[in-house]
Amino acid sequence: LAKTTQPISMDSYEGQEVNITCSHNNIATNDYITWYQQFPSQGPRFIIQGYKTKVTNEVASLFIPADRKSSTLSLPRVSLSDTAVYYCLVGGAFSGGYNKLIFGAGTRLAVHP
Amino acid sequence: EPEVTQTPSHQVTQMGQEVILRCVPISNHLYFYWYRQILGQKVEFLVSFYNNEISEKSEIFDDQFSVERPDGSNFTLKIRSTKLEDSAMYFCASSVGRTVNTGELFFGEGSRLTVL
Repeated sequence: LAKTTQPISMDSYEGQEVNITCSHNNIATNDYITWYQQFPSQGPRFIIQGYKTKVTNEVASLFIPADRKSSTLSLPRVSLSDTAVYYCLVGGAFSGGYNKLIFGAGTRLAVHP
Repeated sequence: EPEVTQTPSHQVTQMGQEVILRCVPISNHLYFYWYRQILGQKVEFLVSFYNNEISEKSEIFDDQFSVERPDGSNFTLKIRSTKLEDSAMYFCASSVGRTVNTGELFFGEGSRLTVL
């Protein structure tokens, strides 16, 4: 499984755009990149998943450069309720029989008024 | 919106006691998982389950742990003889297919286990 590296913490203010970058230098050809969000005392929640280029949904955008060795989660106009831990995960369902997600330490995002 | 439900939300037990944590996965999902999170630490994979058998487990999932799908809806995690270090939040998750590039994992709200 590809190892991921992301900042331990970030601070932002309400209304700003937040970009969290994740490095995954050893990503394999069939690996996808998935981001989860976790609020205190709650289970992780899927945000977005992508393979290459750009993916956008109602919550966030995911930017993946051509070499796929990194990815950036973009949260537009954050609010206080976006304060959470954000996890970047990399893996593939059919490479070596993976059928689990391995969470790293994540990025603790604090949004201030 | 369908969701994964877990019971109990919080259980306090004495060291050495058996504990069963229960989960009802989303009805059309085929893969089931247990994760745990010790306070202040990262979410750790315990076990995945498919077609009524364990498909993968971590080194944490030793002989003290077992999982079962006793009927068509419940998925349980049993800890036979709890230790202090088993105190954690336990999350159940389910997915339609295998993880990552076939869809997301849906997590429950967790069961907090406190071992005294």
